Order: sequence, then structure tokens, then C-alpha cells
Amino acid sequence: SQKIEQNSEALNIQEGKTATLTCNYTNYSPAYLQWYRQDPGRGPVFLLLIRENEKEKRKERLKVTFDTTLKQSLFHITASQPADSATYLCALASGSQGNLIFGKGTKLSVKP
Amino acid sequence: SQTIHQWPATLVQPVGSPLSLECTVEGTSNPNLYWYRQAAGRGLQLLFYSVGIGQISSEVPQNLSASRPQDRQFILSSKKLLLSDSGFYLCAWSITRNTGELFFGEGSRLTVL
Repeated sequence: SQKIEQNSEALNIQEGKTATLTCNYTNYSPAYLQWYRQDPGRGPVFLLLIRENEKEKRKERLKVTFDTTLKQSLFHITASQPADSATYLCALASGSQGNLIFGKGTKLSVKP
Repeated sequence: SQTIHQWPATLVQPVGSPLSLECTVEGTSNPNLYWYRQAAGRGLQLLFYSVGIGQISSEVPQNLSASRPQDRQFILSSKKLLLSDSGFYLCAWSITRNTGELFFGEGSRLTVL
């Protein structure tokens, strides 16, 4: 079955720097991959979706890449701010029903 | 606009007691509905999903059950809670399956003592 690995449980960076989060999957390449943001005690919020035929997608300070050869997606936040501090989850469809499965997330802390 | 409401926000229950968590979606028709659980140190685990009234699919065997009595209402239940049922329960909806993003509720924090 498909598995998702977000290798870093936590990432600490300085304000203004670019944060780069990694998401790897183990089996077949999904048709698309999604990224969510989750604040403590809250439900995840959808950020971006990238399809397998898209190499890169941008939304304001966010950029997502999708490399089906490496079976990896990278999530970048440029000019990071303390308000970007949160846990970021990647997700993809898996199984015969295509339901979303999630990685454990990477907790990003942006220090002023 | 669409909204999702989930309650209660927090609850503390003794082992062996029943459970009922409720979720409703407004502003859309025939949504796909999901229950996820997020345990400490673990990722989101899909528990149940529903594509229509009375249609429930379970992803993992467990002590819980789900029901969808109305189009935009999704209920998570248990007859007798176990310690291992503790966690953060999230209801979510989507417009389409397999391609759409999920919209999550605010979550229900369950502590079983």
C-alpha cells in the first residue's frame, strides 16, 4: 500500500529565510498531491494541489514541486514569517477508493 | 459559502461509556463526508467515509461506527469507549472524491480515562 513520509518532524528557521519541507511516497505515483497547514488544536486547511503532469505550482509565497522520478514533493515558503509557524501535512490519494492519506507532518517554527 | 460544524469540541469520557460526535455541512449538497482520527505522534488516519445517505465505508476495523442519517450530517459513535479511542477526531467534506481537496471541521478532542 502507498505510504507517505515527511522526513522532518520539526524544522526551525529564521524569519526571512526560505523553508523547504519534503514529502516522499513509496509506491506508484499519485495523480495529484496536496499540502495542508494545521495549527495547534485546529483542523487542517488546504493550501495547494499539484498534479502529476505539473512540475511546479505557486501561490503567493508558497511553491510546490512534484518529481515523480524521485517520488517526492517539496514545499517551499519564501520570505518566511513567524505567522507561517504551523504543522504542514502532505496528502495523496491511495487505495482502490482513492481516499486521501496523510503524512505525519512537519512542524515549522519561524523565529523572529 | 460552505461551512462545516463539528461538536462537541472537547470531551472527557470514562472507559466503557458511549460516544457520539456530530458533524454537519452547510451550503452544499451531496458532499462526500469523512471521519479522520489524529492520535498523538501519528498522522491523520481515515476511519470512515460516506458518498451518500446511509452509505458508510470503513477503512480500519475498530471500536467505532459511523452513520449518515441526512445528506449533510455525519455521526461518529461508539457503544463502549476504550482507552485507545483517545485522540483528535476530524470531520471533513469534499465535493468530489479522488481529486478534490478536503475541508475540515475544527475537530473534537476526546480523552478516555
